[in-house]
Amino acid sequence: DAGITQSPRYKITETGRQVTLMCHQTWSHSYMFWYRQDLGHGLRLIYYSAAADITDKGEVPDGYVVSRSKTENFPLTLESATRSQTSVYFCASRRSGGANTGELFFGEGSRLTVL
Amino acid sequence: GDSVTQMEGPVTLSEEAFLTINCTYTATGYPSLFWYVQYPGEGLQLLLKATKADDKGSNKGFEATYRKETTSFHLEKGSVQVSDSAVYFCALSDGNTGGFKTIFGAGTRLFVKA
Repeated sequence: DAGITQSPRYKITETGRQVTLMCHQTWSHSYMFWYRQDLGHGLRLIYYSAAADITDKGEVPDGYVVSRSKTENFPLTLESATRSQTSVYFCASRRSGGANTGELFFGEGSRLTVL
Repeated sequence: GDSVTQMEGPVTLSEEAFLTINCTYTATGYPSLFWYVQYPGEGLQLLLKATKADDKGSNKGFEATYRKETTSFHLEKGSVQVSDSAVYFCALSDGNTGGFKTIFGAGTRLFVKA
């Protein structure tokens, strides 16, 4: 049971470059989420998706783009990276319908440094 | 809007000490409440949850009771171990919106000394 995997785990890039963080889940969960974790802020929701081809903004969406062409994949793209986007990014998924307990299942995180 | 407030850390305890991490919430609906734990270098994982008032969630010796009257969900453990060193997040998921979004507190880092 592979669960939810993120790649890359670590990435260093420069200001202005485009970066894509990948997220893949093997459970066929309908809902997927991207959070960023910053000291003093806990986890803040960037974007979420209720199903393939359905995405919506979270609390801090500016500077990010997502897509969901397949249920199992939910990539997050920083179109032009800024230093303020240095963070640890977590992808998560959740069951839907009657199987939903509210629990989120997290990947191991992608640590991004923008120089 | 909905929010979660938890005590600031870090919290440093000796092994076998009693642990309390305070968590209070603000919600317009009837949320489910959660505690997640993050061990170093890992993602978050669910520690325990409670879905309605007066429910007690428990796991691995940790407990938390959903107190609607005080809007609280404090995490407790009677005797901590070095392996409990981690960051703990209180969270809520609002049932009125279908539990679509989960809101997290800022996290409390726990250090347990041998």
